[in-house]
Amino acid sequence: QQQVKQSPQSLIVQKGGISIINCAYENTAFDYFPWYQQFPGKGPALLIAIRPDVSEKKEGRFTISFNKSAKQFSLHIMDSQPGDSATYFCAASGGSGGYQKVTFGTGTKLQVIP
Amino acid sequence: NAGVTQTPKFQVLKTGQSMTLQCAQDMNHNSMYWYRQDPGMGLRLIYYSASEGTTDKGEVPNGYNVSRLNKREFSLRLESAAPSQTSVYFCASSPKNIQYFGAGTRLSVL
Repeated sequence: QQQVKQSPQSLIVQKGGISIINCAYENTAFDYFPWYQQFPGKGPALLIAIRPDVSEKKEGRFTISFNKSAKQFSLHIMDSQPGDSATYFCAASGGSGGYQKVTFGTGTKLQVIP
Repeated sequence: NAGVTQTPKFQVLKTGQSMTLQCAQDMNHNSMYWYRQDPGMGLRLIYYSASEGTTDKGEVPNGYNVSRLNKREFSLRLESAAPSQTSVYFCASSPKNIQYFGAGTRLSVL
């Protein structure tokens, strides 16, 4: 049972354009929504994250938009650069104590062309 | 600053062979995880360890076993490898919300 649905599976964007990746979740117990970036041959690394008490978080060219009522969140990459070409995973986590159960989306392969 | 270290980086096995994937973290995190990554399927949790001395099954545990040797080390064992276990395996550790991943082990089972 996939609890986090991610789209699109792949995305090609021109340099300078806006890249948009969308995710939807089902479990309302999730309370932390990170995005991970993975370059070929490397492990995923945290890019940016948001909690459901805010609707938007921006870090440089990367912005997360969060819609709690629709149970959706998205990653926007402004002024996309060839160096942003990577696979992006959304995730959702929640749990008590020190352990957080994390569910990942299926990933979006982004290619930024010059 | 090593973070999460996985060994080996690459491995080729024949069907039926066994092997252990090693993972160690130096960040004093309580929780550790093993994932497999397959094209179009994202990261799927195999096993996790919420703290030293405990392990639990994830989404796809069949064919695997794990050992939390101490707080630093969490190993994944394939007792009898099958071609369906060809994948990239990632170990991760976490203090709470953020997961820190190793570089992965690329495993092919022929």
